[in-house]
Amino acid sequence: GESVGLHLPTLSVQEGDNSIINCAYSNSASDYFIWYKQESGKGPQFIIDIRSNMDKRQGQRVTVLLNKTVKHLSLQIAATQPGDSAVYFCAENIKAAGNKLTFGGGTRVLVKP
Amino acid sequence: EPEVTQTPSHQVTQMGQEVILRCVPISNHLYFYWYRQILGQKVEFLVSFYNNEISEKSEIFDDQFSVERPDGSNFTLKIRSTKLEDSAMYFCASSGDSLGVGEQYFGPGTRLTVT
Repeated sequence: GESVGLHLPTLSVQEGDNSIINCAYSNSASDYFIWYKQESGKGPQFIIDIRSNMDKRQGQRVTVLLNKTVKHLSLQIAATQPGDSAVYFCAENIKAAGNKLTFGGGTRVLVKP
Repeated sequence: EPEVTQTPSHQVTQMGQEVILRCVPISNHLYFYWYRQILGQKVEFLVSFYNNEISEKSEIFDDQFSVERPDGSNFTLKIRSTKLEDSAMYFCASSGDSLGVGEQYFGPGTRLTVT
């Protein structure tokens, strides 16, 4: 699944360091947010989600933070590994309006050994 | 672990031809979706399907597009008369069971090239 774009922002991270990927979402009515990871040749892979009644949610090595005031979402990856190299997308949804996901533009993460 | 599968992985077709992209969603899922990603652009929603009918569609999903669940396992996207601008990666996704919609699981995609 090619998600390479000429203008994709890129985050270079040293292996073992923490990564923070940011996303500004567009619709203040959105109440469900998801982070997806896309590796070369594959489709988007679910990482973690958060609902608008929360401001933080933790998974395995990942944390999502939601700031509804400024419509900002971030994904923190602890102890970044080479396998974390991928393009990361945030997606938003308005639950009452259906299941359509609206994706952001993506950030490429490159993990340096 | 169950996964969404898609065939073919790459489809090349001439402008004006019909194409059918195929997907096998996760077996107990009830909600099905098609998205596309033009090279260098965002993933865009096309259509969602539930209970044997379209539940939501985007402006992109015009009369040239149709979806079908011909049997209990396949979910297809048909483009009747392809245009150059239909060239993209097409992703199928599925979600949900009787307990709720749940997260969407994506397939690996079909790369459609219209020449």
